[in-house]
Amino acid sequence: QQPVQSPQAVILREGEDAVINCSSSKALYSVHWYRQKHGEAPVFLMILLKGGEQKGHDKISASFNEKKQQSSLYLTASQLSYSGTYFCGTVLGSARQLTFGSGTQLTVLP
Amino acid sequence: GAVVSQHPSWVICKSGTSVKIECRSLDFQATTMFWYRQFPKQSLMLMATSNEGSKATYEQGVEKDKFLINHASLTLSTLTVTSAHPEDSSFYICSAIDGGRGETQYFGPGTRLLVL
Repeated sequence: QQPVQSPQAVILREGEDAVINCSSSKALYSVHWYRQKHGEAPVFLMILLKGGEQKGHDKISASFNEKKQQSSLYLTASQLSYSGTYFCGTVLGSARQLTFGSGTQLTVLP
Repeated sequence: GAVVSQHPSWVICKSGTSVKIECRSLDFQATTMFWYRQFPKQSLMLMATSNEGSKATYEQGVEKDKFLINHASLTLSTLTVTSAHPEDSSFYICSAIDGGRGETQYFGPGTRLLVL
């Protein structure tokens, strides 16, 4: 079952913050975050495993609330290079198949 | 590390012909590879899971006789679109898991298929 992502689209000015949410109606084994630029393949950002955790690198971080089966991606002090479509992918069990959300189109303006 | 390549990067073919797409893990062994399809402005949809040395597992609604998957080695999986039709035109992307590095799926650069 496809996870629900929100918002569908967001427009920011350079330096502003954004939060993208991903929720599932089923118990998750892991949540994966990717960014895809137009015409290119998705680029891995981070993975969060069940047990509830928070990860980050540079100014992009994410959290996973296992009780709510929700994950959020935080982009702080956004840069022009952050523009793209962000997808969360969820894994339900050991089979490892990723089910992607519908995506959030992020546009950072100068 | 964890580089996945795909070949070709794009292909144009006539309706009725077959097209083979290769997915290779360059610096790791991938016991499991995945094939996705993405239509314009849509999300990635999993087509099948490819395990080395065994038959692929197809997602519901994906015709196994039309999309032939072979995972002959730990570094190579191929997807053959047989008797391609214009509605098969799409962006095909593979991913692979490096078992030694956890659960992350590393994606190839994708293959854009246009069937005329």
